[in-house]
Amino acid sequence: SYELTQPPSVSVSPGQTASITCSGDKLGNRYACWYQQKPGQSPVLVISQDAKRPSGIPERFSGSNSGNTATLTISGTQAMDEADYYCQAWDSGIAVFGGGTKLTVL
Amino acid sequence: QVQLQQWGAGLLKPSETLSLTCAVYTGSFSGYYWSWIRQPPGKGLEWIGEINHRGDTNYNPSLKSRLTISVDTSKNQFSLKLTSMAAADTAVYYCVRRLDGAAAGLHFFDSWGQGALVTVSS
Repeated sequence: SYELTQPPSVSVSPGQTASITCSGDKLGNRYACWYQQKPGQSPVLVISQDAKRPSGIPERFSGSNSGNTATLTISGTQAMDEADYYCQAWDSGIAVFGGGTKLTVL
Repeated sequence: QVQLQQWGAGLLKPSETLSLTCAVYTGSFSGYYWSWIRQPPGKGLEWIGEINHRGDTNYNPSLKSRLTISVDTSKNQFSLKLTSMAAADTAVYYCVRRLDGAAAGLHFFDSWGQGALVTVSS
């Protein structure tokens, strides 16, 4: 079965750039999405189709996907961005999620 | 803005069957796949399966033998039944929407219900 691998945790200082990676076999040949989940809340789509921001998502969120790695980048990270982030792709009609990355802003 | 409201039993005993229903408000029901995704406490997301308004289904192979997802287009609702529940099935269950289209890039989950905690315990 297809697997997506994320680092369990990433730390960033306020105002700096955070990068969260998602690795999978030839992931660049698929579309990757990213979801943000804050404690006690439902996930929210922050990046679709590798790099598209849905309406209402701040410009500081961006995405890329090439080779075996998709990356979510948060520029000028704010305290409100502290959350769990999940990547997701499709494999043979099955939605696959990465294990999630806890972003700490400190 | 679509609203997804879900309900169902929150506490089950081992071997019982989970039944959840999700109602879709203020939005089109056709043109989308309606999914169930779960999240064990403190863990990551797992896709369970999905159905569209025509009744076409896709299931996670790991749950397929225990899973039935159905749709009631007259009420704009879809439901999940998962049999032989065990402690490992304890999770928050979400109902979720994604576009039903040929373009693979559009198959992202753009609206999520509030989630329902289902606990399996004797």
